[in-house]
Amino acid sequence: GDSVTQMEGPVTLSEEAFLTINCTYTATGYPSLFWYVQYPGEGLQLLLKATKADDKGSNKGFEATYRKETTSFHLEKGSVQVSDSAVYFCALFSSGSARQLTFGSGTQLTVLP
Amino acid sequence: KAGVTQTPRYLIKTRGQQVTLSCSPISGHRSVSWYQQTPGQGLQFLFEYFSETQRNKGNFPGRFSGRQFSNSRSEMNVSTLELGDSALYLCASSLEGPPDTIYFGEGSWLTVV
Repeated sequence: GDSVTQMEGPVTLSEEAFLTINCTYTATGYPSLFWYVQYPGEGLQLLLKATKADDKGSNKGFEATYRKETTSFHLEKGSVQVSDSAVYFCALFSSGSARQLTFGSGTQLTVLP
Repeated sequence: KAGVTQTPRYLIKTRGQQVTLSCSPISGHRSVSWYQQTPGQGLQFLFEYFSETQRNKGNFPGRFSGRQFSNSRSEMNVSTLELGDSALYLCASSLEGPPDTIYFGEGSWLTVV
């Protein structure tokens, strides 16, 4: 079945540092890939998505490129802010997903001033 | 455009009781999904509804049930509550279901004591 493996957390960075959160996947066919973010006490917000190989999703300074050859969708940001502190989830949907998103375990990011 | 709305946001129930959670999807969205989030199990798919029909169900016991109304609003019910049912229950909506982008509500925090 489908699966998503995320970089273990927690991750602690200083403000303006470079962020990478690794995400790799196993899926049937050609999945759509997503990054969601969850701020403390809130639900999930869609951060970015990519639906085909080599697509780059971007939003709020975050980027991720759909790499089919390495089955990866790593999240990056060039300069993090304190307000980026949250839990980040990588997720996929594929034809084998039976109409559900498959999530990674989440990565807690803390940005210190 | 209003987002996905879930009620109640917080509730405390006693073991053995039942609970009903409500979800109003984004206007125009016909697919509603439910997910359970716990620290130990992460995000797990409960079920998905489209046009009042359950299209898919996750691996949860029969105590967990749901339904969707003609206006796309959805409810989920958990009967005979157990301590392990304490979780954040997230509702999500999309236009027609995956692979359309899925948008989440802020969730209903259930505590079973």
